[in-house]
Amino acid sequence: DAGVTQSPTHLIKTRGQQVTLRCSPKSGHDTVSWYQQALGQGPQFIFQYYEEEERQRGNFPDRFSGHQFPNYSSELNVNALLLGDSALYLCASSFGGLSYEQYFGPGTRLTVT
Amino acid sequence: GDSVTQMEGPVTLSEEAFLTINCTYTATGYPSLFWYVQYPGEGLQLLLKATKADDKGSNKGFEATYRKETTSFHLEKGSVQVSDSAVYFCALSDLETSYDKVIFGPGTSLSVIP
Repeated sequence: DAGVTQSPTHLIKTRGQQVTLRCSPKSGHDTVSWYQQALGQGPQFIFQYYEEEERQRGNFPDRFSGHQFPNYSSELNVNALLLGDSALYLCASSFGGLSYEQYFGPGTRLTVT
Repeated sequence: GDSVTQMEGPVTLSEEAFLTINCTYTATGYPSLFWYVQYPGEGLQLLLKATKADDKGSNKGFEATYRKETTSFHLEKGSVQVSDSAVYFCALSDLETSYDKVIFGPGTSLSVIP
């Protein structure tokens, strides 16, 4: 049983560019949450998708957007990249968003130069 | 809003020493509490959890007790090993106010030396 998978593992982009990160949830899970972890800090909640809709959102600008597909996989898009967007982006999955427990993927390391 | 505070690191201990990492929280509701661990170069793993007051979560020799009266969830281990070297995050999730949204503390880096 595969856990949460994310792609790519690493990514280098230039300021102003756009990036798309991908996540496949653990088998049986239908809810995907995205977190940003800056170096040396705890993860910060970006948003959560359930039934292909954004259900809740953290304190992130509209440059951060997402999508969930019918197979429950999800994408995180960031437009107009800033140097401060450099971070580890973590995807977490759960069932129904009411499971008390999330499973995290290994993350995508984004570097903006 | 809800928040988590934990002791600053880095913490350096000798093998077989006793570990305590302090964690306190602020929440408007009745949250579930977690400890997550992040080994170097890896993602987050759930270490243990507690969903109601006085619950004790335990795993791999680590334990933490949900203390509602002191709003605390301190992590302890009686004898640490070199393999316990990692960053530990205290976290909470309040299902009454948000679905599975986890609020993390800043993390405490632990280094265990032989």
